[in-house]
Amino acid sequence: AQSVSQHNHHVILSEAASLELGCNYSYGGTVNLFWYVQYPGQHLQLLLKYFSGDPLVKGIKGFEAEFIKSKFSFNLRKPSVQWSDTAEYFCAVNAAGNTGKLIFGQGTTLQVKP
Amino acid sequence: DAGITQSPRHKVTETGTPVTLRCHQTENHRYMYWYRQDPGHGLRLIHYSYGVKDTDKGEVSDGYSVSRSKTEDFLLTLESATSSQTSVYFCAISPGQRIGTDTQYFGPGTRLTVL
Repeated sequence: AQSVSQHNHHVILSEAASLELGCNYSYGGTVNLFWYVQYPGQHLQLLLKYFSGDPLVKGIKGFEAEFIKSKFSFNLRKPSVQWSDTAEYFCAVNAAGNTGKLIFGQGTTLQVKP
Repeated sequence: DAGITQSPRHKVTETGTPVTLRCHQTENHRYMYWYRQDPGHGLRLIHYSYGVKDTDKGEVSDGYSVSRSKTEDFLLTLESATSSQTSVYFCAISPGQRIGTDTQYFGPGTRLTVL
């Protein structure tokens, strides 16, 4: 069965610090990968996704993620965080060809101190 | 934002009572999903629909049923609510054109408390 693991459950950073959130998945076949963000009191929205091509994917608000197939990883990065990036971040995996069912990681809460 | 509404937004109910949550979309998307969000578990898929009257189970479907009689509406029913079903429930939709890579768009959520 597919599973997704996010290593950091709670991250606290100061503004302008660099961010890297880990995401590993377990599935031997082709996958599609997503990062979603949930700002306080809001619904989930897509940050970025990868399904083919360049393994370095750029998303909204300066976020990017790198797919490393050999490591089954899809880590999220941002060079300089802002207070407004305070949110919960979810990695999700969909087995290519599946019915769109997403398997989510447990989530990482990011708190950015001004 | 995608045109997704959920009702009610908040509900408190008692153990053993039936509860129905509604998801309504105005996007005419083919796929609709129900997830629950719990601390430490992220989001977990309960049921999904790939067309009118076409539904299937997700990873945590026990105790839940769904119905989709119209493209725009997807109902989630707890036949006899239990305290373990206290959660935040999210509906999501996707176009279904390239199903594996489609973005899912999420509704605002329903906070359900079962006493």
